[in-house]
Amino acid sequence: AIQMTQSPSSLSASVGDRVTITCRASQGIRNDLGWYQQKPGKAPRLLIYGASTLHTGVPSRFSGSGSGTDFTLTISSLQPEDFATYYCLQDSNYVWTFGQGTKVEI
Amino acid sequence: QELLVESGGGVVQPGGSLRLSCAASGFNFGGYDMQWVRQAPGKGPEWVAFIGSEQYYADSVRGRFTISRDKSRKMLYLQMNSLRSDDTAIYYCVKGLRVATMTYFDSWGQGTLVTVSS
Repeated sequence: AIQMTQSPSSLSASVGDRVTITCRASQGIRNDLGWYQQKPGKAPRLLIYGASTLHTGVPSRFSGSGSGTDFTLTISSLQPEDFATYYCLQDSNYVWTFGQGTKVEI
Repeated sequence: QELLVESGGGVVQPGGSLRLSCAASGFNFGGYDMQWVRQAPGKGPEWVAFIGSEQYYADSVRGRFTISRDKSRKMLYLQMNSLRSDDTAIYYCVKGLRVATMTYFDSWGQGTLVTVSS
């Protein structure tokens, strides 16, 4: 199965900061990658699919890039509501794997 | 408005069984793939099972769990047998979003807690 390595596992940031989270696949996955945001006590929320396409209703300060094995989620200007845990997700032959998560803290 | 409401969680002894249900509304249930995703306390999400034209399972549950659906009733199910302590988690019902060659986890329910303990 394809392994997803996400980094960092946590980071401290301030409102207005630019934040970058990376996800590396153990083998090439084209652009078949999604990014999720999860707040405590809530279900994950789809932010980005196809590595770079913003899902409906997601603010434009979120962006995604990458293809093959290396992917990036960027928050251009961190807002108070963005403090959460972020996960990447890939699918290979009907086996879905999440990254370990990145907790974005103040 | 898409809505997924899970039920059926609870406390069960190791080796026991439980059946989770998910009521879907607000979208064409029969036209979408569906999944179950779980999240153990303090851990990240873990995909459990998929149903489209076929069913697929995570290695950790294959042979013990069965995913099914009733399109006429707009219901998704997860039959869980031979439960183990490491099956303890919140179980989410999830609607699939098919884009090119991948199905993403789109709309999520609020989750139902399954606790396996003696």
